[in-house]
Amino acid sequence: KAGVTQTPRYLIKTRGQQVTLSCSPISGHRSVSWYQQTPGQGLQFLFEYFSETQRNKGNFPGRFSGRQFSNSRSEMNVSTLELGDSALYLCASSLGWTSGNYEQYFGPGTRLTVT
Amino acid sequence: EDQVTQSPEALRLQEGESSSLNCSYTVSGLRGLFWYRQDPGKGPEFLFTLYSAGEEKEKERLKATLTKKESFLHITAPKPEDSATYLCAVQAGTGANNLFFGTGTRLTVIP
Repeated sequence: KAGVTQTPRYLIKTRGQQVTLSCSPISGHRSVSWYQQTPGQGLQFLFEYFSETQRNKGNFPGRFSGRQFSNSRSEMNVSTLELGDSALYLCASSLGWTSGNYEQYFGPGTRLTVT
Repeated sequence: EDQVTQSPEALRLQEGESSSLNCSYTVSGLRGLFWYRQDPGKGPEFLFTLYSAGEEKEKERLKATLTKKESFLHITAPKPEDSATYLCAVQAGTGANNLFFGTGTRLTVIP
């Protein structure tokens, strides 16, 4: 079974620009979560989608948004980029909490550098 | 407040020198404890899920155990390829917003 895929793998943007990251979950997984990982803060939860609905949101500004499509693929958008947004953005997929199985499987990540 | 603490922050071992990593947690309503391995610049790789105190899981040189307050990841006769950061995460309720990660233990195995 194919794992979680994320595109692009690397991205360099300048301050003020916007960026869209994509995530394809494991086949059959309906829940997709996004995380930001930095050396200083570790893994920080951004948001979670299940069946095209945002179920939970972390403590990030409104510049961070996302969506999920009917095939469970998800996109994350960051507008008006700031230097502090430089990080590894991770997507994780799972069956969803309704299944009682909370195991999350991560993709390889997108390394975003803001200059 | 739900919290997950991993120790030590970093660990250097000689090849073949067994040791343990610790993950202590204070959460209400544990629904699962997860161990991940993460290589630099890559996403975390799922290793184990533990659900209840007394449970143990093994995979090659790794063995994870769980008590009511903490989990241990035992590494037996490690090899250089075991070098990575090991993350512990605790599911305290439904939803990814109730999944709490530790800051990880960076393991280096010296040949």
